[in-house]
Amino acid sequence: GAGVSQSPRYKVAKRGQDVALRCDPISGHVSLFWYQQALGQGPEFLTYFQNEAQLDKSGLPSDRFFAERPEGSVSTLKIQRTQQEDSAVYLCASSLLLQNEKLFFGSGTQLSVL
Amino acid sequence: SQQGEEDPQALSIQEGENATMNCSYKTSINNLQWYRQNSGRGLVHLILIRSNEREKHSGRLRVTLDTSKKSSSLLITASRAADTASYFCAIPTRMAGTALIFGKGTTLSVSS
Repeated sequence: GAGVSQSPRYKVAKRGQDVALRCDPISGHVSLFWYQQALGQGPEFLTYFQNEAQLDKSGLPSDRFFAERPEGSVSTLKIQRTQQEDSAVYLCASSLLLQNEKLFFGSGTQLSVL
Repeated sequence: SQQGEEDPQALSIQEGENATMNCSYKTSINNLQWYRQNSGRGLVHLILIRSNEREKHSGRLRVTLDTSKKSSSLLITASRAADTASYFCAIPTRMAGTALIFGKGTTLSVSS
């Protein structure tokens, strides 16, 4: 596609519900990143993939958060047993080859946990 | 903290004026990037400056990097209402080959 696509755009979940957020990176991009952005804050790093390999998951806040990219393209961020503090915008970004180079971001998924 | 810190947190100017935002960081870096985020949207890459560069231009944007002071500045000249957005600096993490870390951003408001 022309850009990074994320779905859904908005997600409302009841506390305790599991959610899955999808990211379609730019075709051919090797690196894929997930960030969490709270209102009025900068994006906080969650996890990073190079192709299908998850090379860094140091930013995942708890074991309720899980990300995968099984075929090296589409990625899913799953949050189990959601809690109110999980409410945030979840941003996905991809880059062509090298990490630390220019990132292309999707518009994000705004998650609200009630 | 590894992340860059932007200053000021908020900036309000009139159209046509210049806007300057600063970013300070604490570790050695190989590059520093600036991004813009319009309300409710994802981030858009503006410019990347490498550690061996001191200044870089892109249209109305000018970025400087002073590695001795561990600081960078973003200058937007002749600002427009459309420049209203949040601006973030981003630096690589300490670990080689991992993600960019973002600061908390500067919120710029340009009024006509």
